[in-house]
Amino acid sequence: QVQLVQSGPEVKKPGASVRVSCKAPGFTFNNDYIHWVRQAPGQGLDWMAFIDPTGGSAKYAASLRGRVTITSDTSTDTLYLEISRLTSEDTAVYYCALGVTAILIWGQGTLVTVSS
Amino acid sequence: DIQMTQSPSSLSASVGDRVIITCQASQDIRDCVNWYQQKAGKAPILLISDASELEIGVPSRFSGTGSGTHFTFTINGLQPEDIATYYCQHYDHLPQYTFGQGTKLEI
Repeated sequence: QVQLVQSGPEVKKPGASVRVSCKAPGFTFNNDYIHWVRQAPGQGLDWMAFIDPTGGSAKYAASLRGRVTITSDTSTDTLYLEISRLTSEDTAVYYCALGVTAILIWGQGTLVTVSS
Repeated sequence: DIQMTQSPSSLSASVGDRVIITCQASQDIRDCVNWYQQKAGKAPILLISDASELEIGVPSRFSGTGSGTHFTFTINGLQPEDIATYYCQHYDHLPQYTFGQGTKLEI
């Protein structure tokens, strides 16, 4: 079964940027979407964006547009989420996840802490 | 944007109970709703897709119904391992994905 392996926890200062990676060892993305979903401490799930790794097209939630960029490197089957101008409200666990109409497989999550 | 209003936000029940969670969409979304279970400290798991399709390996005590704007998720015969937070999620053709606020289930 496909596994999504994410990079480790990050601690950043307000105003900085962070990049989180997501890799599927041995799996080639075909007609799949990779999503990024975040969950602030004690809060619900918040869909952020998705990318079609093969076509490169991406779509972002309106609330994050302009601060978030997702990219894919098909040569290494690695996906990236970059968030700029971090604030304390970006403190959350960030999940990459795979699926089209439903999200079938989730990564283990990456905790990003924004603190001065 | 379509809004998904999930209720209740929390629920206490006993082993063996029937538990019902609802999601109301702000407009007609046909059957484009999925349901997830998230246990503490873990990633969510897809239980039901397209409003009523049980995923392989998911116990039959879980079920989903609905179409249009009103959707229901039911657990028939609550088990101790069902303690979790449950989320509905809508997808559309844009594509755009929206989660409900979640229902925390306690026993």
